Amino acid sequence: AQTVTQSQPEMSVQEAETVTLSCTYDTSESNYYLFWYKQPPSRQMILVIRQEAYKQQNATENRFSVNFQKAAKSFSLKISDSQLGDTAMYFCAFMKPWYNNNDMRFGAGTRLTVKP
Amino acid sequence: EAQVTQNPRYLITVTGKKLTVTCSQNMNHEYMSWYRQDPGLGLRQIYYSMNVEVTDKGDVPEGYKVSRKEKRNFPLILESPSPNQTSLYFCASSYSMGPSQPQHFGDGTRLSIL
Repeated sequence: AQTVTQSQPEMSVQEAETVTLSCTYDTSESNYYLFWYKQPPSRQMILVIRQEAYKQQNATENRFSVNFQKAAKSFSLKISDSQLGDTAMYFCAFMKPWYNNNDMRFGAGTRLTVKP
Repeated sequence: EAQVTQNPRYLITVTGKKLTVTCSQNMNHEYMSWYRQDPGLGLRQIYYSMNVEVTDKGDVPEGYKVSRKEKRNFPLILESPSPNQTSLYFCASSYSMGPSQPQHFGDGTRLSIL
């Protein structure tokens, strides 16, 4: 079974600085997808960024980028120029391809606090 | 506005009293699913549905039931709730299965079973 591990339960960063959240996963699949979701205090789950395992290029979305290391099964999220609105829980998630029951697994989450 | 609507947002109830958490989406999505979120465990999938009348178990289905009689609705039923089902629940939907279709989440339902 796939497992997703986020080893940092809590992190903090000063406004405007850069922070990296780590995520590792375990799978025997060769084709899969990885996600980072943000959950602010409002409890909404917001998709931040998505990476397809067969793509070597790291995904980026504005201030958010990932460092995807397939051999190491690592998928870290870098937030540049941190803003107060980035304060949230961040969940890393793994999904098998659709032909494998769309199974989606989440990590335990990292609580990020951006300090002014 | 495209959205996934869950009701209620909060519920406190007692052991054994049947309850239903409703989930409705207005995006004509085929795929819907339920998750529970617990501290230190992240989100775990309870049940999912690929289309009307098609449902299947996720990781933690014990103690839950679902139905998909209409495309837009996917209620979660707790026939005999127990305290270990106290949790934050999310409904999600997407146009179809597969990660190319982003999942839309509801705002969550906080259940407390006493």
